Amino acid sequence: EAGVAQSPRYKIIEKRQSVAFWCNPISGHATLYWYQQILGQGPKLLIQFQNNGVVDDSQLPKDRFSAERLKGVDSTLKIQPAKLEDSAVYLCASSLWTGGLGELFFGEGSRLTVL
Amino acid sequence: AQSVTQLDSQVPVFEEAPVELRCNYSSSVSVYLFWYVQYPNQGLQLLLKYLSGSTLVKGINGFEAEFNKSQTSFHLRKPSVHISDTAEYFCAVSDRGSARQLTFGSGTQLTVLP
Repeated sequence: EAGVAQSPRYKIIEKRQSVAFWCNPISGHATLYWYQQILGQGPKLLIQFQNNGVVDDSQLPKDRFSAERLKGVDSTLKIQPAKLEDSAVYLCASSLWTGGLGELFFGEGSRLTVL
Repeated sequence: AQSVTQLDSQVPVFEEAPVELRCNYSSSVSVYLFWYVQYPNQGLQLLLKYLSGSTLVKGINGFEAEFNKSQTSFHLRKPSVHISDTAEYFCAVSDRGSARQLTFGSGTQLTVLP
């Protein structure tokens, strides 16, 4: 069974530029999450999708971050314009159903460096 | 809202020695508890989870954890560690409501020394 795929693995940009990350969850997984992991910290939830609807985006900085999950499968996370403090690893995860009893499967992450 | 405190940011231990990684949580509602492991440049992998029932939970790679409701703790243990156990370990909590989102601790770097 293929795991959660993410790309690109690494991205270096200058502040005020834009960047997009892509995630392909495990086939059949209805729930998709984007987490931000800053160096030395645990992952922090940015947004949670159930199929193609947003369950929770309360911690997403909506002035610069956006995410979509068209057709309830792949997802894209965009940052525009980027700030220095956005340097982090962006982790995508999926599960068969909403958190809790369902195990989250994580991708390898996309490491962003903002200069 | 929930929060998780991992009391040790770094734990060095010699190979074949026992290890305990500490985790305390705070929540106003009943929770599910998890331990995840992250190897360098990889995503997180589930080690074990506590949902209900027996408070002693066994996971992969010989790890186990004990849920202590009165002390709001979920410490991770292994009786004998290997070099390959070197990784970052994250404790996480999820409420039992409809969203069931994971809140992670800040992580503990376990380094196994030869």
